Amino acid sequence: ETGVTQTPRHLVMGMTNKKSLKCEQHLGHNAMYWYKQSAKKPLELMFVYNFKEQTENNSVPSRFSPECPNSSHLFLHLHTLQPEDSALYLCASSREFRDTGELFFGEGSRLTVL
Amino acid sequence: GQQVMQIPQYQHVQEGEDFTTYCNSSTTLSNIQWYKQRPGGHPVFLIQLVKSGEVKKQKRLTFQFGEAKKNSSLHITATQTTDVGTYFCAVLRAQKLVFGQGTRLTINP
Repeated sequence: ETGVTQTPRHLVMGMTNKKSLKCEQHLGHNAMYWYKQSAKKPLELMFVYNFKEQTENNSVPSRFSPECPNSSHLFLHLHTLQPEDSALYLCASSREFRDTGELFFGEGSRLTVL
Repeated sequence: GQQVMQIPQYQHVQEGEDFTTYCNSSTTLSNIQWYKQRPGGHPVFLIQLVKSGEVKKQKRLTFQFGEAKKNSSLHITATQTTDVGTYFCAVLRAQKLVFGQGTRLTINP
């Protein structure tokens, strides 16, 4: 149903592990986003990429490292995470950054940090 | 800090009752979007409002944008169990889409 695919859907990792989340969009969009959704906070914007260039880093800790090799793929590399980083990580895309059109979200990657 | 206030945070209704969620901003908005997230799902775009005083309908859903473009509402008439989920408003702030806290709707069949 969604044109934005995220893998894995579920991930459990220890604090010393290194893992990556992957996002792929099939919509021909030029902007891609990472959002964090936790139980007690609204959707938090983490990173924005527009035409593969990072345009926004919303004061995210360096243990989260994004990578955008092309406008269809977005990664979030995870290293030395904390239990409070457990959340649903949502990837989204839109036609352009600064475009006031809709965001298309992936189904999310549910991350648990032990 | 909170850039857009959405109320209520939770709403429980009997099936068939109406439901309304409100989104308020202290500053004038260029536009506002509404999203729905089903339990266990991801946010899905519902609509975008741009014009002052705009009213749009989607079947049982009515969306309004205030005259001053500082508030918006989503009203559902005669709720059904398929309406269960969290409804978010989202506004553009410094060219970024900022989401409200959401209103979680639960329905007693």
